[in-house]
Amino acid sequence: DVELTQSPLSLPVPLGQPASFSCRSSRYLVYSTGQTFLNWFHQRPGQSPRRLIYEVFRRDSGVPDRFSGSGSGTEFTLNITRVEAEDVGVYYCMQATHWPFNFGQGTKLEIK
Amino acid sequence: QVQLVESGGDLVKPGESLRLACAASGFSFSDSYMSWFRQAPGKGLEYLSYISGGGSDIIYADSVKGRFTISRDNAKNSLYLHIRNLRAEDTAVYYCARSARLGDLRGQGTLVTVSS
Repeated sequence: DVELTQSPLSLPVPLGQPASFSCRSSRYLVYSTGQTFLNWFHQRPGQSPRRLIYEVFRRDSGVPDRFSGSGSGTEFTLNITRVEAEDVGVYYCMQATHWPFNFGQGTKLEIK
Repeated sequence: QVQLVESGGDLVKPGESLRLACAASGFSFSDSYMSWFRQAPGKGLEYLSYISGGGSDIIYADSVKGRFTISRDNAKNSLYLHIRNLRAEDTAVYYCARSARLGDLRGQGTLVTVSS
């Protein structure tokens, strides 16, 4: 099974500062079609998770452009250029290249 | 716009069964793979199962294989998850999503609580 390791587990960031989330996979996540099924989700406290990014870098409709995804192979990153109060919560990466599909353990973003 | 509304969650006793439903709208349901996830209280997300648009391609996580059955009714734009022999560890919020691999998760989920 693929292991997804997210770091850090906790990320205190001042408002207006950048934030970076890492997701490392134990296997290459390139599928036979050439697509890389690495998605990012955000879950605010008490709310349902919502997808932010799919296929490494494709931003969902309505997601602010301060969010961006990058990476390839086994190393992936979600970046926020300037953290806002509404960005608090847990960020999960998910791989759907190799069955069983799975999630990382999450990184908790808090305002410092 | 894409909408997914989960329902059917309840407080049940160990060993009982439950059928969860997901009403879909805003996209071509019959052409879409669909999937189920869950999140136990205070825990992370777990991918459970997916089903192809026609229903012929189905897969389950090992943790639920044999007790969970995914199905769909394309005429009703609905996805289902039948859970039998419920256990305490099945207590979670269950979410449906459009797609097998892209995790297009939009609903509020439905809470299943298993307790005697």
